[in-house]
Order: sequence, then structure tokens, then C-alpha cells
Amino acid sequence: GIQVEQSPPDLILQEGANSTLRCNFSDSVNNLQWFHQNPWGQLINLFYIPSGTKQNGRLSATTVATERYSLLYISSSQTTDSGVYFCAPRRISNFGNEKLTFGTGTRLTIIP
Amino acid sequence: GAVVSQHPSWVICKSGTSVKIECRSLDFQATTMFWYRQFPKQSLMLMATSNEGSKATYEQGVEKDKFLINHASLTLSTLTVTSAHPEDSSFYICSAIPLGGAIDRRISDSNQPQHFGDGTRLSIL
Repeated sequence: GIQVEQSPPDLILQEGANSTLRCNFSDSVNNLQWFHQNPWGQLINLFYIPSGTKQNGRLSATTVATERYSLLYISSSQTTDSGVYFCAPRRISNFGNEKLTFGTGTRLTIIP
Repeated sequence: GAVVSQHPSWVICKSGTSVKIECRSLDFQATTMFWYRQFPKQSLMLMATSNEGSKATYEQGVEKDKFLINHASLTLSTLTVTSAHPEDSSFYICSAIPLGGAIDRRISDSNQPQHFGDGTRLSIL
């Protein structure tokens, strides 16, 4: 199956700093989602981005499908940004369903 | 919109008990729902794909007799962990893709993201 690697695995930043999280995947995909998992385990949809760049407030994402990677940018970090960030490429399974494969995650800690 | 409700949020029970977890799409219909499991400090792993009106499809290594899935309506899928043991303790999360398009509303809309429930923490003593 598809392999999904995220980097860095852990990131500790001061409040106000900017960061770039990377997601590499080993095969072609139909789409890709970025999620933020908060300390309570809730998964928050951030972006649904098969290619190109999207922006939502302090966050933006870029997917270059032909080169099999996606980037998540977080600017002016806040303590509420802490948590684990997952990318999840989406492909058609052998059964004809679309399925997500979650990456290894980046654990982000923002220090006040 | 696109809210997925999962119940219960927490379960603590004795070894050998069977536990049922519900996943409901509150404001949309879904022919396809997904069940994931997440162990502490690990990523989410897909367990099975739940298909309304037909059998679920399980990922390699997931015991279908252990994890029973029923998707009897377009808004509800259930996961039953049968005869649970401590090694089944985990965080279980469901997701759903809304039905699409005007042409065939029975097909999940591949232009929509998967929407996730808030998860169920299962602890088996």
C-alpha cells in the first residue's frame, strides 16, 4: 500500500513563530486531507486539497501531486495550534471505495 | 454542516464484554462510513469500510468476527467489539463521506472530504 511520511515528527515553537510541515507519499493519489488532532482526540478538517494552494486564515496548504508531497504552513502560531497534524492521501481501494491513509503525524507544541 | 456524531465517548468495561459504538451522520446521508483505530501516540489505522445495505470490507489483519459492523441505514453505522479484551483498548473513530451529485445520489461524493466523529475511548479492564 501507499506509504505516507511526515516531517518533522516533533516540533516545539514559541508563540508567534511560523512553521512548515511536510507530507511525502509514495504513490499517486486522488486527493489529500490535512487534519489537526487536538489533545482531546478530536480530528479537525483543515484542508481538502488534491493540488495547488489553499489558504484559511493563518493556515495554508500546498499539494504538488506530480511530485507526491504536500506542505502545511502555520503562521503566527498560537497555543491552541498545539496538537498532532496528520496528512491523509486519498486513493481508490481495491474494492472501489476511496480510502484515506494517514501519515505518521507531526506533534506540534506551542510554548507561550 | 456535515456533522458526525459518535456514541459513547468513553467506555470502561470488563474483559469478555461486547461493546457497541454508534456513528451517525446528523445532517447528511452516507452510503459509506469508515472505522479507524488509534493506539496511544500512533497514527490512525483504517479497520474497515462500512457499506450501507451490504457487508463491510475489512482491512488486512482485522478480524471480521471480532469487529462486527452494521450499516443498516444511510445515517447510521455501528461497530461491535465482541468479547473485548485488554488488547482491544484503543481510541476508535468513525468517518463518513456525504452522498453526491444530482445524477446518482447513491454514490458517495468523491469531491467531498471525509467527516469524522469525536471518537470513542475504549478501556477494557
